[in-house]
Amino acid sequence: GENVGLHLPTLSVQEGDNSIINCAYSNSASDYFIWYKQESGKGPQFIIDIRSNMDKRQGQRVTVLLNKTVKHLSLQIAATQPGDSAVYFCAENPSYSGAGSYQLTFGKGTKLSVIP
Amino acid sequence: DTGVSQDPRHKITKRGQNVTFRCDPISEHNRLYWYRQTLGQGPEFLTYFQNEAQLEKSRLLSDRFSAERPKGSFSTLEIQRTEQGDSAMYLCASSLKRQGADGYTFGSGTRLTVV
Repeated sequence: GENVGLHLPTLSVQEGDNSIINCAYSNSASDYFIWYKQESGKGPQFIIDIRSNMDKRQGQRVTVLLNKTVKHLSLQIAATQPGDSAVYFCAENPSYSGAGSYQLTFGKGTKLSVIP
Repeated sequence: DTGVSQDPRHKITKRGQNVTFRCDPISEHNRLYWYRQTLGQGPEFLTYFQNEAQLEKSRLLSDRFSAERPKGSFSTLEIQRTEQGDSAMYLCASSLKRQGADGYTFGSGTRLTVV
């Protein structure tokens, strides 16, 4: 079936370096994507989103890139800090452009560990 | 309180028992969602309410599961005759109808362990 998934289950980076977390999706009808951060014992927290009519969007220290040709999404974190250590999920909302429910389909997650 | 509140945080129950979880959304949010998350996986959608109406249910929501939102405010999720496979984190989220996903706020979840 169609799903949202991640290439790498774990990622370790040195504090101050940039991090790149990747996500592949297979539902070509998806038109809205979100990155979430989940710390231990907490619910997912919104980081940044992007619509399919864009290929790049920047936030504070984060950038999301969307490549619709290869159905690939990435999250770049600049100057990674210890507080960025968490599990990161990409999620898909296929109903965003219509009268959808904002139901989200999540990938499996990548654990980011920041080495001080 | 400005967040989504879930109670209890942890629940251990014996197989075959019934359990009920509660979610209090952000007060002005009219949409409420339940998700299930197993270890190492992303959350999976279970069901969604707009005000008191349950508008979508996942196939994951078997007949042992029931959710209610009687007054359009708090919601309950009940699991009857629990099975070991029901062990998971149950997450609640809420949002306003016209917001994008950045208004989609998750609670910290109820961790269920069925022994």
